[in-house]
Amino acid sequence: SQTIHQWPATLVQPVGSPLSLECTVEGTSNPNLYWYRQAAGRGLQLLFYSVGIGQISSEVPQNLSASRPQDRQFILSSKKLLLSDSGFYLCASPGGSRGYTFGSGTRLTVV
Amino acid sequence: RKEVEQDPGPFNVPEGATVAFNCTYSNSASQSFFWYRQDCRKEPKLLMSVYSSGNEDGRFTAQLNRASQYISLLIRDSKLSDSATYLCVVGNNNDMRFGAGTRLTVKP
Repeated sequence: SQTIHQWPATLVQPVGSPLSLECTVEGTSNPNLYWYRQAAGRGLQLLFYSVGIGQISSEVPQNLSASRPQDRQFILSSKKLLLSDSGFYLCASPGGSRGYTFGSGTRLTVV
Repeated sequence: RKEVEQDPGPFNVPEGATVAFNCTYSNSASQSFFWYRQDCRKEPKLLMSVYSSGNEDGRFTAQLNRASQYISLLIRDSKLSDSATYLCVVGNNNDMRFGAGTRLTVKP
């Protein structure tokens, strides 16, 4: 089994400030990792996925970027946050027949 | 058309009621199907996989209809603790798509 760690759990940032959210995977790992965002009362939107170190694919154009510096590390960043970046950010990894395993998420509020 | 669609609800039901949710998907090549439960301000957690022949786990029954491209979740004898948002997930291997979720509130 695998565990996905995310931090911080909650973050309040001013508009225009930078962002760095970290996700690390512990235990048996599928090489694929994903960043999702969930706006209040909405579904999960896939932001980025990575199939390996240094390999990032973006699903939607946006103010965010992602990096995979190590096999078990996936980072979500922004140089300048917008109000619309507020949301619940989830890191996930496929678990085969058990679907996806999610981290506990980071709730970001941009003010 | 969205890849995965769900009725957002909310479904407000009394304790003990039976409630059913449907989820339609657009990619006919999809091979993996799941129902997730998400509590308020928490991450989604796997409720059950959905198999071609249908499957049951206690009070929960999941079914797949490939011809009509939908999956369903039936909850019998609803409990207060079943109140949550239920997400359907459809896809293949490492490419999974999430529905926006159906909100269920079970009331005393």
